[in-house]
Amino acid sequence: GESVGLHLPTLSVQEGDNSIINCAYSNSASDYFIWYKQESGKGPQFIIDIRSNMDKRQGQRVTVLLNKTVKHLSLQIAATQPGDSAVYFCAEIMAYTNAGKSTFGDGTTLTVKP
Amino acid sequence: DTGVSQDPRHKITKRGQNVTFRCDPISEHNRLYWYRQTLGQGPEFLTYFQNEAQLEKSRLLSDRFSAERPKGSFSTLEIQRTEQGDSAMYLCASSSTGGGQPQHFGDGTRLSIL
Repeated sequence: GESVGLHLPTLSVQEGDNSIINCAYSNSASDYFIWYKQESGKGPQFIIDIRSNMDKRQGQRVTVLLNKTVKHLSLQIAATQPGDSAVYFCAEIMAYTNAGKSTFGDGTTLTVKP
Repeated sequence: DTGVSQDPRHKITKRGQNVTFRCDPISEHNRLYWYRQTLGQGPEFLTYFQNEAQLEKSRLLSDRFSAERPKGSFSTLEIQRTEQGDSAMYLCASSSTGGGQPQHFGDGTRLSIL
C-alpha cells in the first residue's frame, strides 16, 4: 500500500547547526509533498511544500529537496534554533486524485540543544 | 486569528458514551478533512468534504462514526458508543479546491476514554 516513511525517528542537533530530516515515499503517483511541524499539544503546522515538477524549493531558513528517482525528500533547516524543536512529518498527496488527502509518515522528533 | 478552530480541545468520557466534536474551517476553504492521530504516529485520514458533500470515508471510520457538514461551513464528527481504542487526537484540516493545495490544521480535540 501507500506509505511515507522517515529515516530516523529522532534527531538531536546543536543550536546554530543545520538540520536535515529525511523522508522516503513509496507511491510514485504522488505529485505533491508537504512538510509539517507539530509542537506538543498542537496540530501540524505547514512549513513548506513542493510539487513533483520541482527538485528544490526554498523558504525562510528551510529548503526541501525532492529526488523522484529514488523517491526521497528532505527538509533542511538552516541555523537551527530551540524553537525548531518539534516533530516533523512529511506528507504525500496525489494532488489531482484522492481529493488531496494526505498520507503521513510517523515523524522525526527534532531536539535542539542550546 | 482566522485559522481552523476545533472544539472542545479536550474531552474525557466513559466508555459507551457518545461524543461530538466541532470544526470551523478557514472560511474561504471548500474542502474539509478529518484525521485521527495516536501517540507517536502521523495523522491518519478519516473522511473529507467538498462543500457539504462527504465524498470519501476511510475504512478506519466504522459505523459508530459519523461526520456532517450541513451548510458547507463547520463540520461535526460524532462517535457513538465510544471504546477504549477511540482514544486519540482528532484533527480537522481545510484547504482550497484544486490540485496541490496545502491543508491547514486545527489544534485538534484530544479524546480520552475512561
